[in-house]
Amino acid sequence: QVQLVESGGGVVQPGRSLRLSCAASGYMFSNYGMYWVRQAPGKGLEWVAVIAYDGGNKHYAESLEGRFTISRDNSRNTLYLQMNSLRLEDTAVYYCAKDGGDWAFDAFDIWGQGTMVTVSS
Amino acid sequence: DIVMTQSPLSLPVTLGQPATISCRSSQSLVYSDGNTYLNWFHQRPGQSPRRLINKVSNRDSGVPDRFSGSGSGTEFTLEISRVEAEDVGVYYCMQGTQWPLTFGGGTKVEIK
Repeated sequence: QVQLVESGGGVVQPGRSLRLSCAASGYMFSNYGMYWVRQAPGKGLEWVAVIAYDGGNKHYAESLEGRFTISRDNSRNTLYLQMNSLRLEDTAVYYCAKDGGDWAFDAFDIWGQGTMVTVSS
Repeated sequence: DIVMTQSPLSLPVTLGQPATISCRSSQSLVYSDGNTYLNWFHQRPGQSPRRLINKVSNRDSGVPDRFSGSGSGTEFTLEISRVEAEDVGVYYCMQGTQWPLTFGGGTKVEIK
């Protein structure tokens, strides 16, 4: 069955970097758009970034101010989120999610279990 | 940004009774292709969200038919015809018509 498994979360100091990964299985990863969504403790859902099936198109939440980069390796069926200059307010569970199509018109049909990122000094 | 406003914030319900959640968008969600990209999600405590409804009224695979979505333009509704114990949690609406993608603040459904 379709499965998304995130990894790479942990505790990191403000200003440092972290890279999250999302391993996909059970479907043709290279055919579908992918997203990152985050959820701060006790809060709602916030879309972070999206990448098209071939990596050729990307879009980010403006609130990130260019600090995060989404990428994918279709040969490894893996999605990434490079997070730089981390701030306290980036503390959240980070979910990867799949689109039902090749870009962003069928958002979040499948979600991973999430990985926790804690930014703390 | 399109602001998604859900009501109520909290919804105590009796098992077997219906429940209705409303979602209002600050702009029309009709896209240039004629589709309306409004989705509904359910998040149980300690779990990842799960999509229930896409494009206003299309139930996702495996979603029980007691869930239904309706609406148009800026006003949308999720209805649960007969609430079951497994339906507790937080429900979110989300718009995919315009960047950035935005979610409503959530409606917490609990059993009375």
